[in-house]
Amino acid sequence: DTGVSQNPRHKITKRGQNVTFRCDPISEHNRLYWYRQTLGQGPEFLTYFQNEAQLEKSRLLSDRFSAERPKGSFSTLEIQRTEQGDSAMYLCASSRTGVNQPQHFGDGTRLSIL
Amino acid sequence: RKEVEQDPGPFNVPEGATVAFNCTYSNSASQSFFWYRQDCRKEPKLLMSVYSSGNEDGRFTAQLNRASQYISLLIRDSKLSDSATYLCVGELDSNYQLIWGAGTKLIIKP
Repeated sequence: DTGVSQNPRHKITKRGQNVTFRCDPISEHNRLYWYRQTLGQGPEFLTYFQNEAQLEKSRLLSDRFSAERPKGSFSTLEIQRTEQGDSAMYLCASSRTGVNQPQHFGDGTRLSIL
Repeated sequence: RKEVEQDPGPFNVPEGATVAFNCTYSNSASQSFFWYRQDCRKEPKLLMSVYSSGNEDGRFTAQLNRASQYISLLIRDSKLSDSATYLCVGELDSNYQLIWGAGTKLIIKP
């Protein structure tokens, strides 16, 4: 399967712990996006990369969130000192750059904070 | 005003009927639009791109109205399996970043 891969699929942790998620994009895609989604809402943009460069980060994203894409391939999203409000589905997507380039999503990581 | 707006629904439609929903966007310079389908607790999946001249894929037709800044999705001969949330997506800025609507929930009833 050459689609976008995310792991873990589920993460349950206690409030205050740090968590890290991984995303492996489609290999020929140079753009990688992280989104958060809660029930009944569309995906909420968090940040995105073009190759290894992080081009934009949502103003809504607190400094507890950090993302990296060190070699322009896979990416990690880390949340430090998790809070109950961080419980959500975290989605990763990748795409080529340019007009009419759709994003392709991984299965997501569902985070539950106890 | 939200960048991309959709009626959240739900639209309750009998099987076999035709259903249409619209999505409005605020960035008049947007070039790229898409419809995605999302099943409950699953990731969004690309349904179709939306082209200026309108395009069709089987029972699905997408249209773009630049003058009124909306896109539409028409589903003919609806199936039970069409029940899902349909997300409208538009290009945010010249960096080709996309912005998402909150989705329209569609329920097809037997």
